[in-house]
Amino acid sequence: SQQGEEDPQALSIQEGENATMNCSYKTSINNLQWYRQNSGRGLVHLILIRSNEREKHSGRLRVTLDTSKKSSSLLITASRAADTASYFCATDAYNTRNNDMRFGAGTRLTVKP
Amino acid sequence: NAGVMQNPRHLVRRRGQEARLRCSPMKGHSHVYWYRQLPEEGLKFMVYLQKENIIDESGMPKERFSAEFPKEGPSILRIQQVVRGDSAAYFCASSPGGQNYGYTFGSGTRLTVV
Repeated sequence: SQQGEEDPQALSIQEGENATMNCSYKTSINNLQWYRQNSGRGLVHLILIRSNEREKHSGRLRVTLDTSKKSSSLLITASRAADTASYFCATDAYNTRNNDMRFGAGTRLTVKP
Repeated sequence: NAGVMQNPRHLVRRRGQEARLRCSPMKGHSHVYWYRQLPEEGLKFMVYLQKENIIDESGMPKERFSAEFPKEGPSILRIQQVVRGDSAAYFCASSPGGQNYGYTFGSGTRLTVV
């Protein structure tokens, strides 16, 4: 089934460093989205990138999309302790009229102060 | 403008009882999605609804689980005759629909079956 898979599963860095998380998926998509989840909370939408876009920025976040490799990356620059959370990518399915998203298992990011 | 409201936040049920989880989407959102999350895992898609219609229920177990989104009122995820394996966090999300919008998630309902 269409589902993003994040890599790595867990990432631990020092405050101020950059964090890169990757997502791979299987079939063609209309868009790919990144979300953040703090422990015990609901998910927060970060960025949506369409299939015809290659890169998108939002503050300290940079998302790239390579549809030929069916992969995306999320870069968090100058990380802060408050960035500690799980990060999920989600994809839709191009060949259906539905826009329901499928999520991967996530990357657990720990930023040490 | 309140976000997605889910209630209750925590729900404890004994095996065999029924669980009803409610979700009120953001104002102006007519698309609702339910997901289940086990500890340390990702979200598993369950069902996608629009007002009075089930669009995609491919993630719903065939038995005991049902969902509705009536013309008036919140969306309801209903689990009959709960078992311990139903213990999880259930998240609802809403969107205006279309391919250009992200989802807004509620804070979830944590179901514990004892």
